[in-house]
Amino acid sequence: KAGVTQTPRYLIKTRGQQVTLSCSPISGHRSVSWYQQTPGQGLQFLFEYFSETQRNKGNFPGRFSGRQFSNSRSEMNVSTLELGDSALYLCASSLEGQGINTIYFGEGSWLTVV
Amino acid sequence: AQKVTQAQTEISVVEKEDVTLDCVYETRDTTYYLFWYKQPPSGELVFLIRRNSFDEQNEISGRYSWNFQKSTSSFNFTITASQVVDSAVYFCALSEASQGGSEKLVFGKGTKLTVNP
Repeated sequence: KAGVTQTPRYLIKTRGQQVTLSCSPISGHRSVSWYQQTPGQGLQFLFEYFSETQRNKGNFPGRFSGRQFSNSRSEMNVSTLELGDSALYLCASSLEGQGINTIYFGEGSWLTVV
Repeated sequence: AQKVTQAQTEISVVEKEDVTLDCVYETRDTTYYLFWYKQPPSGELVFLIRRNSFDEQNEISGRYSWNFQKSTSSFNFTITASQVVDSAVYFCALSEASQGGSEKLVFGKGTKLTVNP
């Protein structure tokens, strides 16, 4: 059974550009959430999607957005990139969310903003 | 508000030593879930264990064991006879059930474990 797949794994962007990251959850999982990991702030929740609807959002500016498709695949977008957006972005999936089920993470997308 | 504290930033041990990673959490909910993850240098968070707030039984899985104590709001993780392959950053995380059906993990800052040969 394939795990959570994230693409791309590594990318370098210039300040002011935008970036789209993709996540394919484990087959059958309907909840997809995103986290940002930086050395200073640690792991922080970005948002969670379930059945194409955003159910929860973390404390991030509107430049961070996401969506979920009918096949549960998800994308997140960061517009007008800033140097501080350099981070590891992790996607997680679970069957129903709510922490009731085990939450599995992908390998992450390493974003560097120069 | 929910909070997870991992007071140990870094731990260094010699192979075959036992090591305990501490985790203290704060929540106002009576129903919540606790997790431990391992993060090797590759970046992926590897799931280790999930425990709900109604299950205070300790658990042992091979060389790993977990001690959940609601009275002290702690969920500590012990590795017995550590090995070099255990070297990683370990995260404790909390999820509350009262978030309107939403899933959100609050993580501690992590403990970097180095096991030396």
